[in-house]
Amino acid sequence: NAGVTQTPKFRVLKTGQSMTLLCAQDMNHEYMYWYRQDPGMGLRLIHYSVGEGTTAKGEVPDGYNVSRLKKQNFLLGLESAAPSQTSVYFCASSRSTGRAEEEQYFGPGTRLTVT
Amino acid sequence: DQQVKQNSPSLSVQEGRISILNCDYTNSMFDYFLWYKKYPAEGPTFLISISSIKDKNEDGRFTVFLNKSAKHLSLHIVPSQPGDSAVYFCAASPETSGSRLTFGEGTQLTVNP
Repeated sequence: NAGVTQTPKFRVLKTGQSMTLLCAQDMNHEYMYWYRQDPGMGLRLIHYSVGEGTTAKGEVPDGYNVSRLKKQNFLLGLESAAPSQTSVYFCASSRSTGRAEEEQYFGPGTRLTVT
Repeated sequence: DQQVKQNSPSLSVQEGRISILNCDYTNSMFDYFLWYKKYPAEGPTFLISISSIKDKNEDGRFTVFLNKSAKHLSLHIVPSQPGDSAVYFCAASPETSGSRLTFGEGTQLTVNP
């Protein structure tokens, strides 16, 4: 049982390049999330999904797109990377209750640098 | 605006003493509060939570206190251990938004042997 895994662990992009971050979970969780963590700002929700085929915007969605074609995978795309997207990105998943107290399980993070 | 605020970026305590981490919030719609712990190069892990209908929740060495009138919560760790050294994030959610969490900035706790 690997939990939540993220690919890649590190990436350096040039401004304007595109890339996709992959998140996979093997816990059969319905809900999945993408966060970014920046110094002094905590974790901020980018996009989330409440089930296969669904996506919704979070607090800071601009410049990102997501897809949830399979229940176990949640992809985060950057179409044209900007230096402001330099951050550590965390994926998380939780069970299907959607209740506020439901624990979220996080992946190890992807450190992205845009030059 | 920062709806969940952890005003202390860092805290240093001696092993065996109490660690108190503080968190303030501004949104009166928040019903549920959680603490996550994060080690370097790892994702955050859930530590303890509290509902707004309670003022205290305890789990072993960890206790969370909630003061709704002051919009303030705190995490107490007693006794503190070197393995507790990590970044602690406070998070909050209104019940109506389900599991959408708003996180604070985090507090780096260092427990010295």
